[in-house]
Amino acid sequence: GAVVSQHPSRVICKSGTSVKIECRSLDFQATTMFWYRQFPKQSLMLMATSNEGSKATYEQGVEKDKFLINHASLTLSTLTVTSAHPEDSSFYICSARDALGETVYEQYFGPGTRLTVT
Amino acid sequence: QKEVEQDPGPLSVPEGAIVSLNCTYSNSAFQYFMWYRQYSRKGPELLMYTYSSGNKEDGRFTAQVDKSSKYISLFIRDSQPSDSATYLCAMRRNTDKLIFGTGTRLQVFP
Repeated sequence: GAVVSQHPSRVICKSGTSVKIECRSLDFQATTMFWYRQFPKQSLMLMATSNEGSKATYEQGVEKDKFLINHASLTLSTLTVTSAHPEDSSFYICSARDALGETVYEQYFGPGTRLTVT
Repeated sequence: QKEVEQDPGPLSVPEGAIVSLNCTYSNSAFQYFMWYRQYSRKGPELLMYTYSSGNKEDGRFTAQVDKSSKYISLFIRDSQPSDSATYLCAMRRNTDKLIFGTGTRLQVFP
């Protein structure tokens, strides 16, 4: 099956610093990648949709200047949390859609990145 | 009203039991229906997907979609302790955005 990786798996940073999270599709090309945030015992909340080579589309209530998304290639998207605050502490999960697969509506999820802001 | 409703559980069953997990939804435009399994502190893993109404079976798992009732189900036969996880239903229209339920936490005890 399709594999999506995320790096790092866990990060702790100080308030006010920036953190970059990478999402890679390892064995397929992904024209579309999605970034989600998940708080404890809650469901996944979509933050933004990114298409390769174009600007990301952010969901209502998500600050685009705070959560910078770059999708520079068909296998890599990055999420940068700028000027992080403790309330940004969460589990961030990316997913990717296989551009060439038969079941193009499937999304494959990464293992997630746990961000803790102290 | 949320677009997708799912009982958060927890649901606790003995090993070997048949498990029934359900979601209801309000938007009749949803056409693609998925079930994901998520272990603690891991990303979701796609278990089953169904297009429109009907049943789909894969091993011990059966997914059912009843569009007339706006109701979807996932059945797990012969449940195992390794099935203990959170099960998320998700659905979408023809656009890219997946709408998730809150997830049902399942515990299968030996």
